[in-house]
Amino acid sequence: EVQLVESGGGLVQPGGSLRLSCAASGFTFSSYEMNWVRQAPGKGLEWVSYISSSGSTIYYADSVKGRFTISRDNAKNSLYLQMNSLRAEDTAVYYCAREGGKGGYFDYWGQGTLVTVSS
Amino acid sequence: SSELTQDPAVSVALGQTVRITCQGDSLRSYYASWYQQKPGQAPVLVIYGKNNRPSGIPDRFSGSSSGNTASLTITGAQAEDEADYYCNSRDSSGNPPYVFGTGTKVTVL
Repeated sequence: EVQLVESGGGLVQPGGSLRLSCAASGFTFSSYEMNWVRQAPGKGLEWVSYISSSGSTIYYADSVKGRFTISRDNAKNSLYLQMNSLRAEDTAVYYCAREGGKGGYFDYWGQGTLVTVSS
Repeated sequence: SSELTQDPAVSVALGQTVRITCQGDSLRSYYASWYQQKPGQAPVLVIYGKNNRPSGIPDRFSGSSSGNTASLTITGAQAEDEADYYCNSRDSSGNPPYVFGTGTKVTVL
């Protein structure tokens, strides 16, 4: 069974940093592209970042470019999101999502981890 | 970057058919995928590609596309289909970034 379990969320002050993790199991993690998607309270879904299966190709949404860093450790079956210079508008539930076999869609999602940026 | 526009809310009588639309320039080149999200839960993929359903998704869910508009149709809506639905596609560049639609709240009466 495919499982994605996020962790690392919490309350952080504006300007602070947080590192999210996503532990993957039930599939060959190193073969799949991965993404982070977030959802602010009461709002819609927003794509945040993409990383290729090898980690060699990375993309970011303009809203987080220069502040967030996506990475992965295929030996540990883990995906990460380093978030720096956090702003109130980064407050959201952050989901890790596996990209489907042919790409362009997200076939499995974690349960999400809540990040709250507030003083 | 691209935008995908959805109607904010639609309602459907139990057992009837509802169509949810998603409009955007990127849909002229790329298929949309569709996600169902119930309160407090993670999104669930219901349609991807031309009209593909993941394992476990009922066949009352179907997808179609024409020009810059993608549609998700629920034929014979059930009470458990009440949820938010989001479309998603690649950006017009064809790579990530991806873009999500604004979301449609489906109410089953």
